Amino acid sequence: DTAVSQTPKYLVTQMGNDKSIKCEQNLGHDTMYWYKQDSKKFLKIMFSYNNKELIINETVPNRFSPKSPDKAHLNLHINSLELGDSAVYFCASSQDAGQGVIGYTFGSGTRLTVV
Amino acid sequence: GDSVTQMEGPVTLSEEAFLTINCTYTATGYPSLFWYVQYPGEGLQLLLKATKADDKGSNKGFEATYRKETTSFHLEKGSVQVSDSAVYFCALKGPGANSKLTFGKGITLSVRP
Repeated sequence: DTAVSQTPKYLVTQMGNDKSIKCEQNLGHDTMYWYKQDSKKFLKIMFSYNNKELIINETVPNRFSPKSPDKAHLNLHINSLELGDSAVYFCASSQDAGQGVIGYTFGSGTRLTVV
Repeated sequence: GDSVTQMEGPVTLSEEAFLTINCTYTATGYPSLFWYVQYPGEGLQLLLKATKADDKGSNKGFEATYRKETTSFHLEKGSVQVSDSAVYFCALKGPGANSKLTFGKGITLSVRP
């Protein structure tokens, strides 16, 4: 009954490959996100989708392409992987409740290592 | 744009010591403020939050008060435990539904027995 689940948990791949990370939330939230955490633990938002519509697209190489088939899923596809893509990628979801914010629920992360 | 500044780390304390982790922010409008915690090898968990000035968020013995006059949201705990060892992130989210959650750089807390 995990609220936000990501797969795989670990991903080791060679430079130049294409890979996908999947994310699913069973909280009924309308908004989902991808964050990248670098080796110094710094978290930076990459994308946000609200009801399958892209609402935030930070300065991310276009090798990264998010896809949201429905509001419970937000997948991240990465083409032509580079060494600098090695990081932990977190999926999250949220539900704004009027003017109140409940907060984000994060998945447990996918550690991507490009060799 | 919105930003969050946390004190430099890491921080090492003895068990039962008092903890303060400073956080200040820059934002337009009236953001909501959060503290998240990341235990080793895990994702982020919401620790506490405050949505308006003078609100105090509290959870698991941790507290933080939304201070608009000093644009601060410092995290405190009166007596830390070894199990509190983790990375702590201060974050803010603007009032709009489409605004993003912006994090500080995080600070690693280690509590020794």
